[in-house]
Amino acid sequence: DAKTTQPNSMESNEEEPVHLPCNHSTISGTDYIHWYRQLPSQGPEYVIHGLTSNVNNRMASLAIAEDRKSSTLILHRATLRDAAVYYCIGSYDDKIIFGKGTRLHILP
Amino acid sequence: DAGVIQSPRHEVTEMGQEVTLRCKPISGHNSLFWYRQTMMRGLELLIYFNNNVPIDDSGMPEDRFSAKMPNASFSTLKIQPSEPRDSAVYFCASSPWWGEIRYFGAGTRLSVL
Repeated sequence: DAKTTQPNSMESNEEEPVHLPCNHSTISGTDYIHWYRQLPSQGPEYVIHGLTSNVNNRMASLAIAEDRKSSTLILHRATLRDAAVYYCIGSYDDKIIFGKGTRLHILP
Repeated sequence: DAGVIQSPRHEVTEMGQEVTLRCKPISGHNSLFWYRQTMMRGLELLIYFNNNVPIDDSGMPEDRFSAKMPNASFSTLKIQPSEPRDSAVYFCASSPWWGEIRYFGAGTRLSVL
């Protein structure tokens, strides 16, 4: 599995876009990039995942660098309910290993 | 669907007692995972099952921990005897198959005094 590096914390203003970076320089060609988030006092929640192409869903967008050594999770318009710890994971198989993630603070 | 259901939500016990945590996965999901979360170690995968069969238990910390999945709709994680360092939030997750999106339960907060 790829080792991922994320900033410990980030702040963003409400109703503005948020770009959460993730470095995964050791990622292999078959490792998917997964993003989960964990709201306070809840279990982790799936956000998005992708392999090579950029991906969009109702929650977020995932922009993957052409060399796949980094990716960015984009929340298009942050709300207070998006305050959570966001985990970036590089994994091919069952070993979805959670790192420490980025704690996102949303400022009203 | 009600999602992954864990019980109890909170458990307080004394050192040496047996603790049993329960999980009901989402109907139709073939894979079930047990995780433990602490401030020091973050989220750790303890064990996972495919089609009720344990596939990888390398994350189970000690012989005091055991997990079973007697059928597709129920799993237990047992700690016997419990110790204060077992205090953590234990999450159960299920997915349609092991490589797919995982759906987590709300967790069981365990405190061992």
